[in-house]
This record gives sequence, C-alpha cells and structure tokens, in this order.
Amino acid sequence: DGGITQSPKYLFRKEGQNVTLSCEQNLNHDAMYWYRQDPGQGLRLIYYSQIVNDFQKGDIAEGYSVSREKKESFPLTVTSAQKNPTAFYLCASSKKGANNQPQHFGDGTRLSIL
Amino acid sequence: GQQLNQSPQSMFIQEGEDVSMNCTSSSIFNTWLWYKQEPGEGPVLLIALYKAGELTSNGRLTAQFGITRKDSFLNISASIPSDVGIYFCAGTRWDSGTYKYIFGTGTRLKVLA
Repeated sequence: DGGITQSPKYLFRKEGQNVTLSCEQNLNHDAMYWYRQDPGQGLRLIYYSQIVNDFQKGDIAEGYSVSREKKESFPLTVTSAQKNPTAFYLCASSKKGANNQPQHFGDGTRLSIL
Repeated sequence: GQQLNQSPQSMFIQEGEDVSMNCTSSSIFNTWLWYKQEPGEGPVLLIALYKAGELTSNGRLTAQFGITRKDSFLNISASIPSDVGIYFCAGTRWDSGTYKYIFGTGTRLKVLA
C-alpha cells in the first residue's frame, strides 16, 4: 500500500545528543514536510522540501536539520541545540503542481527527553 | 507563523447529534482542507475544497468553502462514538513562489454514548 512511514514511533533523547527521525514515502510525491505538534496546539512547520537536494526553513527551524538526498526520504535531525525537543513530530508529503495539493501525513514520532 | 482561527476549541455532544465547526481567517485561501487526528496518530484527510462556494460531502461529513474564501465549515451528521478526535482545518495560499499551508489549532470532539 502507498503511504508515509515514520520511524521510530517513540524516541528518547539524552542531554547533548542528536537524534534522527525517519520519514519515507512511496506515493511518488515531490514535496515533503516536517511539523512539530505540542499538546493543545496546531502544527508548526519546521522544514520543507519541494525537490530532491533542496529544502527551506519553516517557522521553527532552529535546532533542527534535514536532508533530501532521495525523493522518497526526508529525515529530520533534532540537534542538541534544540532545548525543548519534547513533542510529537509529523512528516507529510504532497504532489507538486500548478494546483495546490493536500498534504498526507505519517503516523508521527513522539520524542521525549531522558 | 500564522494559524487559522478554529472554533469551537472543544465540544462534548450526545451520540446522534449533529456537529458544526468552522475556521476563519483574515486572509484569502485557494484551498480549504479538513483533517481528523486520533490520539497518537497522524492527521487523516477528510475533505478537500478547491473553489469558493464548493460544498462537498464524505459520508456523514459535509464541508463548504466560504464565498469570501476566508472561511470554511465542517458538519458531522448523526455523530457516533468513533467520531471522537481532533479536527483540523488547513488553508493553502500562494506566497513567495510556493503554496503555503496554514493549519488551525483544532476542535477536540468528544461524543457521549
């Protein structure tokens, strides 16, 4: 089945440690996105990529980094510079075209601090 | 970043009742989207609206794209316990050479059996 796979489902980070969240899609979508969701809040955009080897910062990019070496994959690294990383992280993808296309989401990764 | 005004923030309803929620903005949008999110999962797309005035149904769900392009509403008819979850609206608009997606803060729905 086509879809977006995020892993792991749960992740724990120690102080000073970088961790990487995986996002893979087999929908042949060009654009991919990373969002952060905090309790009782909406989605805040961290980074997005519309094409391989290119990505842009979203509203809350500080303390995060991404890469887009393959169309199917858009991993997110939460660096030690992100002082409040505990949140639910969502990856999304969409077709790119003249008409705006809906984003489709993975099932998320919950990151906690040890 | 900007977020859409979504109301109500939460609601408790009895099973079988109809539900209505809406999303408003001071900006014009090209597309309105409605998603449902259940605990520990990602949002799932329910309805996508592409034209002002468009009214679209998906089973017991009906959504409309406001004429002014600044609002949208979602109705759920004859609610059932599995309708529980958080409903998000999202709008897209062209900005600085790309489509920007703006999300609402969500309406948390609880259905009492």
